[in-house]
Amino acid sequence: GAVVSQHPSRVICKSGTSVKIECRSLDFQATTMFWYRQFPKKSLMLMATSNEGSKATYEQGVEKDKFLINHASLTLSTLTVTSAHPEDSSFYICSARLRGGELFFGEGSRLTVL
Amino acid sequence: DAKTTQPPSMDCAEGRAANLPCNHSTISGNEYVYWYRQIHSQGPQYIIHGLKNNETNEMASLIITEDRKSSTLILPHATLRDTAVYYCIVRVGQEADGLTFGKGTHLIIQP
Repeated sequence: GAVVSQHPSRVICKSGTSVKIECRSLDFQATTMFWYRQFPKKSLMLMATSNEGSKATYEQGVEKDKFLINHASLTLSTLTVTSAHPEDSSFYICSARLRGGELFFGEGSRLTVL
Repeated sequence: DAKTTQPPSMDCAEGRAANLPCNHSTISGNEYVYWYRQIHSQGPQYIIHGLKNNETNEMASLIITEDRKSSTLILPHATLRDTAVYYCIVRVGQEADGLTFGKGTHLIIQP
């Protein structure tokens, strides 16, 4: 099946720094990727939709200047958490959509902000 | 996406069939029923989807009632590795939006 890969799987950073998470579709081209956030014992929450070659669409309540999304190619989308604070600590998951509509998810990236 | 209702948790003995119910009484005619699961600290994994007919693949079977207001995911021979949160989601098959996840069912396979 289609494979979506995220990197890094775990990252620890100091408060105030920025962290970049990569999401790659390994064996298919994805014009659309999605970014989710998940807090402990909670369900996944859609943050934004990343479209190749255009600006991302953010869900209500998600700060676009805080969570910068770049979808520069058909196989790569990046999420940058800028000026991270402890409340940004979470599990970030990306997914990519095949042309037929199926969504495949990455392994997730656990961010811990000290 | 139409709203779905699932029990918060279920137990099942290893080797037995696990039957996970989902109610989706407001499903529209063009909405599919999708099932994903999430093993702890991993990304969600696609399991199966269907529109009207029952479906089976190497992972599971999906039984959809004739009125399409509910469905059951069946894992025929549950193993410990099937312990996960299972999400039932209804959506239009080709839509461009991301999935909306509910709370799902935490299935615990007991040895």
